[in-house]
Amino acid sequence: EAGVTQFPSHSVIEKGQTVTLRCDPISGHDNLYWYRRVMGKEIKFLLHFVKESKQDESGMPNNRFLAERTGGTYSTLKVQPAELEDSGVYFCASSQDPQGNEQFFGPGTRLTVL
Amino acid sequence: AQKVTQAQTEISVVEKEDVTLDCVYETRDTTYYLFWYKQPPSGELVFLIRRNSFDEQNEISGRYSWNFQKSTSSFNFTITASQVVDSAVYFCALSEAGYGGATNKLIFGTGTLLAVQP
Repeated sequence: EAGVTQFPSHSVIEKGQTVTLRCDPISGHDNLYWYRRVMGKEIKFLLHFVKESKQDESGMPNNRFLAERTGGTYSTLKVQPAELEDSGVYFCASSQDPQGNEQFFGPGTRLTVL
Repeated sequence: AQKVTQAQTEISVVEKEDVTLDCVYETRDTTYYLFWYKQPPSGELVFLIRRNSFDEQNEISGRYSWNFQKSTSSFNFTITASQVVDSAVYFCALSEAGYGGATNKLIFGTGTLLAVQP
């Protein structure tokens, strides 16, 4: 069974540009999460989808970030326009059941904003 | 508010030494889950263990063991006879139960970088 996949693995962009990150969860997992780790700090929650609906987006830093999950399958996270402080590693995770089941993480996308 | 503290930023040991990674958590919930994840140099987060708040039994899995103590709000992780392959960043995390529509987002500590020298 394929794990959580993320694309791209690395992205280097200029400040002000737009970047779209993609996450493909494990097949059959209704719950999809986005997290971000800024260098040296803790991994922070961004938002949680249940199927195509946003269950919790309390961690989204500002309106430059837009997450979608059309059809309840893969998800995209768009940053527009990117700022220097958006640099970090963006992780996606999925789980079958939200009640305490482990979340399976993807390898992350390393975003560098210059 | 929920919070996880991993006070040890970096630990360096020599192979075959035992090492304990500390994790202290804060939560007002009576039902919650605690996790440990490993992040090897390749970057992905690998799930190691989940404990719920009602189960304080210690767990052992091979060279790994976990000590959960509600009285001190700690969930420490011990690697016995460490090996070079254990070198990684280890994250402790906490989540609420996720009932009633609540999300079970993970609250992570800042991680402990473990370096095992040959």
